[in-house]
Amino acid sequence: NAGVTQTPKFRILKIGQSMTLQCTQDMNHNYMYWYRQDPGMGLKLIYYSVGAGITDKGEVPNGYNVSRSTTEDFPLRLELAAPSQTSVYFCAGGQTETTGELFFGEGSRLTVL
Amino acid sequence: AQSVTQLGSHVSVSEGALVLLRCNYSSSVPPYLFWYVQYPNQGLQLLLKYTSAATLVKGINGFEAEFKKSETSFHLTKPSAHMSDAAEYFCAVRLLGTDKLIFGTGTRLQVFP
Repeated sequence: NAGVTQTPKFRILKIGQSMTLQCTQDMNHNYMYWYRQDPGMGLKLIYYSVGAGITDKGEVPNGYNVSRSTTEDFPLRLELAAPSQTSVYFCAGGQTETTGELFFGEGSRLTVL
Repeated sequence: AQSVTQLGSHVSVSEGALVLLRCNYSSSVPPYLFWYVQYPNQGLQLLLKYTSAATLVKGINGFEAEFKKSETSFHLTKPSAHMSDAAEYFCAVRLLGTDKLIFGTGTRLQVFP
């Protein structure tokens, strides 16, 4: 099993551009999450999903969108990139309703200039 | 709102010394609590978790944590630090009945020879 895979690992965007961070998992997790990590701020929850077709907002959803058309994939979309979205993004999956344990991808470092 | 507070953004210890990383939660109902570790340029990995069973929880790599309801704490300890323990450590909480995992701001552990 590859676990949770994120692409791309690095990306530089110009202000106003759009992009999608891809996240796919082969562990059959029902629950998937997107977090952003900023220095000294820990991880902030952007969006999460408890199953295909179901998504919900986290702590910092503004400027982002997600979809969950399949159990395996949970892409995160930035429509109009802003410098405040410069961050490291982590996707995670798990069976949260039973164990609470999350399995994280390796992260995607995004810079908006 | 449900949250966790990690006291001390940086902790430095000598190799062989006791490691103590502090975490306090805010909730009237004991939640599920977790400690995750992040090594440089990697995603987070689960160290240990408390899910209302034993109050003293043992995790990987010799770490353990004790849930103290009276103090609303879940501090992480290791009797003897190793150089390989240098990493960032995150406390996280999941309130029962919700699907969100909320992280603290993290504590960076440095281990000196």
